Amino acid sequence: SQQGEEDPQALSIQEGENATMNCSYKTSINNLQWYRQNSGRGLVHLILIRSNEREKHSGRLRVTLDTSKKSSSLLITASRAADTASYFCATDGETSGSRLTFGEGTQLTVNP
Amino acid sequence: DAGITQSPRHKVTETGTPVTLRCHQTENHRYMYWYRQDPGHGLRLIHYSYGVKDTDKGEVSDGYSVSRSKTEDFLLTLESATSSQTSVYFCAISESGRPDTQYFGPGTRLTVL
Repeated sequence: SQQGEEDPQALSIQEGENATMNCSYKTSINNLQWYRQNSGRGLVHLILIRSNEREKHSGRLRVTLDTSKKSSSLLITASRAADTASYFCATDGETSGSRLTFGEGTQLTVNP
Repeated sequence: DAGITQSPRHKVTETGTPVTLRCHQTENHRYMYWYRQDPGHGLRLIHYSYGVKDTDKGEVSDGYSVSRSKTEDFLLTLESATSSQTSVYFCAISESGRPDTQYFGPGTRLTVL
């Protein structure tokens, strides 16, 4: 069963606007990662946040983690057309070893 | 794509035929993974390897087998392909165990008629 569920499934915004995507998960985690997938390509790692962290930044990306609500959000500020992609959260937990469980993804479209 | 290649990139085959997909890495990473990606399901782990000749099942391993005889190569075999195995298959690697970034190959699009 899928651990992570992204919300919304699809998001369309204008260039320059901020994009927020959410991920909810069911069981306790050690870490949560976000990946990006451009059309027809493999996934690319964006950022990792540990269960004892609440917020992390990387360039125009801001990730928050609320373990009490079992949820995370990915904020992309000042979006660009090149940010158009699918975004996935992935979690690992106490019993998962090196395995990640991915959500179904959010399709982000940034219109120029 | 971080020194990871997959072959073939596209394949069309018929139900009942055997199919082998290859993942090759030049990063000398210990862990390798095979995922399938289907609409509405995201990525699901098929099998993974934590070293040469060391493999384990993932979430959707039925109908698939794997082998890893060298650090750089991880093979995924469909012994008798079915239409339900039509999918895009991704290989990924990671340097160590959890927590770790996974690096993905470009994918193989497999169609089983």
